[in-house]
Amino acid sequence: DAKTTQPTSMDCAEGRAANLPCNHSTISGNEYVYWYRQIHSQGPQYIIHGLKNNETNEMASLIITEDRKSSTLILPHATLRDTAVYYCIVGNTDKLIFGTGTRLQVFP
Amino acid sequence: DAGVIQSPRHEVTEMGQEVTLRCKPISGHDYLFWYRQTMMRGLELLIYFNNNVPIDDSGMPEDRFSAKMPNASFSTLKIQPSEPRDSAVYFCASSLISYEQYFGPGTRLTVT
Repeated sequence: DAKTTQPTSMDCAEGRAANLPCNHSTISGNEYVYWYRQIHSQGPQYIIHGLKNNETNEMASLIITEDRKSSTLILPHATLRDTAVYYCIVGNTDKLIFGTGTRLQVFP
Repeated sequence: DAGVIQSPRHEVTEMGQEVTLRCKPISGHDYLFWYRQTMMRGLELLIYFNNNVPIDDSGMPEDRFSAKMPNASFSTLKIQPSEPRDSAVYFCASSLISYEQYFGPGTRLTVT
C-alpha cells in the first residue's frame, strides 16, 4: 500500500528552485521521510531524510509540515543534471518501499 | 571507493537457462539489498541481508529466485530456470545505515 502521494511529473526552469511536494497523511510518529532520486539508466541515489525538523544538506532541503502529513523537497538552484525521478518514501525499518515518484524535468 | 560493483552489466539468455547476478558491496557496509525494476512494477525490494544474514526475503517472487551472501564482500542473485517475465534491471545496493543506500549501476537482464 502506498504511504505517499506525489505528482506524476513537474517542470522547472534551470537556475530556479524546484519544489517537489509529497503527501504522507498516514505517517506514524516514528516514521521518517526519505528522498531518493533516480537519473535515467542509473541506480537510485539517496538525497536526504528527516523526522520532524527541517533538514538541509549539500544537495537539497527538506521541509516537513508541523503535523508531518506532508513535506517538500527543495532543490535551490536546479540544473539540467537534476532531471530525474524523485521518490518520497516513508518508513522506520530497514526496508524502503519505492513508489512511482515524480518525474522532474529541468529545462534550459 | 569504487562504489557498488555489479556484474554482468547486461545479460541476455534463453528461457530455461540459469542466470547468476553478482554484487560487490562497498567495503564496510553491513547491509546489502537486491532490487528489481520494471516499467510495470517499478522498483521492488527482493531481499536484504544484514551482516551476511538474510533478514527479509518476502519480496522474492518465487522459488526460482535465490540469493546468497557467503561473505561481506560478495553476493549473488540466481534465477533458475529463467523466464521472459524475469526480464528487468536488477540493482544491488549496500549501506552502513539502512536508509542511506548506495546503489550499483544495475544488471539489465533480458530473457528470450
